[in-house]
Amino acid sequence: NAGVTQTPKFQVLKTGQSMTLQCAQDMNHNSMYWYRQDPGMGLRLIYYSASEGTTDKGEVPNGYNVSRLNKREFSLRLESAAPSQTSVYFCASSEVGAEKLFFGSGTQLSVL
Amino acid sequence: RKEVEQDPGPFNVPEGATVAFNCTYSNSASQSFFWYRQDCRKEPKLLMSVYSSGNEDGRFTAQLNRASQYISLLIRDSKLSDSATYLCVVNKNNQGGKLIFGQGTELSVKP
Repeated sequence: NAGVTQTPKFQVLKTGQSMTLQCAQDMNHNSMYWYRQDPGMGLRLIYYSASEGTTDKGEVPNGYNVSRLNKREFSLRLESAAPSQTSVYFCASSEVGAEKLFFGSGTQLSVL
Repeated sequence: RKEVEQDPGPFNVPEGATVAFNCTYSNSASQSFFWYRQDCRKEPKLLMSVYSSGNEDGRFTAQLNRASQYISLLIRDSKLSDSATYLCVVNKNNQGGKLIFGQGTELSVKP
């Protein structure tokens, strides 16, 4: 059972480069999320999608864009990467209205 | 002030010890509460929900004190495999998008 799959697992970017983090879930969940995790900060919500066709900003959306491509896939795009975006990124999904999140294995991103 | 605060630890305890973690939250309107577990460099996983009446799952007991706005997690008879970071999570309005994570408390159980 794949659950939530994120790619890539590791990425190094130079300042100003762009990239897209991919996320797919096979649990037929309606809601999907992107978090970032930094030391001493806990997980912070970047964007979420309560259902296919909708997206909403979370706590730290600046510098990111998202696309809910279909029910399975939710991508996160960095248009012009900055060193402050160095972090571990987690995608997650849940049933609508449910609070148990299923996380992907994370993407470690370094921006030099 | 952070919305959810935890003592980051680390808590270093011997096998068999009982250890307790506390977590405080600032929003009195928060609706539901959880503990997640995160192993080193892995994704968080739900450990247990926290109910007003308190709840127990094997060696783990979670308590909620709404008046004082804190949540606790008690681990009895600690195992080496309990070593992980424990994340306190608060939901402000019963929607997944409003989950607020604490920074986590690191537990290290030694032989």
